[in-house]
Amino acid sequence: DSGVTQTPKHLITATGQRVTLRCSPRSGDLSVYWYQQSLDQGLQFLIQYYNGEERAKGNILERFSAQQFPDLHSELNLSSLELGDSALYFCASSVGSYGGIDEQFFGPGTRLTVL
Amino acid sequence: GQQVMQIPQYQHVQEGEDFTTYCNSSTTLSNIQWYKQRPGGHPVFLIQLVKSGEVKKQKRLTFQFGEAKKNSSLHITATQTTDVGTYFCAGRSDYKLSFGAGTTVTVRA
Repeated sequence: DSGVTQTPKHLITATGQRVTLRCSPRSGDLSVYWYQQSLDQGLQFLIQYYNGEERAKGNILERFSAQQFPDLHSELNLSSLELGDSALYFCASSVGSYGGIDEQFFGPGTRLTVL
Repeated sequence: GQQVMQIPQYQHVQEGEDFTTYCNSSTTLSNIQWYKQRPGGHPVFLIQLVKSGEVKKQKRLTFQFGEAKKNSSLHITATQTTDVGTYFCAGRSDYKLSFGAGTTVTVRA
């Protein structure tokens, strides 16, 4: 158990819908990362937040948005869902230090299926 | 933008043999991390390399960071069935961490 929790574990929805994925980081971690993992794409970095502020942006679609709240939990919002958005979405957290070892602890993931 | 390429994509290994997976970045990295993801699981941090030419060992795993800090390798000796999984490298440049596509390892007993 990494200490990172993600809800829900599974989500099945239809094209065009909107969903929200939730992540609670490890106690004390200030950084939260979101990743998308599909069969052929490996781990795609979407976005990183540090202490409530966006720190880095990866290949995140405009239909996707995220935020980190004052209590440091984070939500990833996916809208106008398409079949190709079906994937495993991981959240990871880290202390957020830039100079030292900043290992990421991954949650169990949310499996999204768009029908 | 920063790209991290990882080869091979798949590695089928006879138990007891050695193998190496390689990671190459299009840009100079400040550090590189390696993760392992078991089938059905989530990525788990293995190690971080920071210095040019750095070599670190964890039991049968040897990690190297290139002199130019643009490439890295993971060498596993005497492969065991517990080594099954996907190994990812992740290169950091500024605040962004870019993952390679991973090397998926299967082991023949």
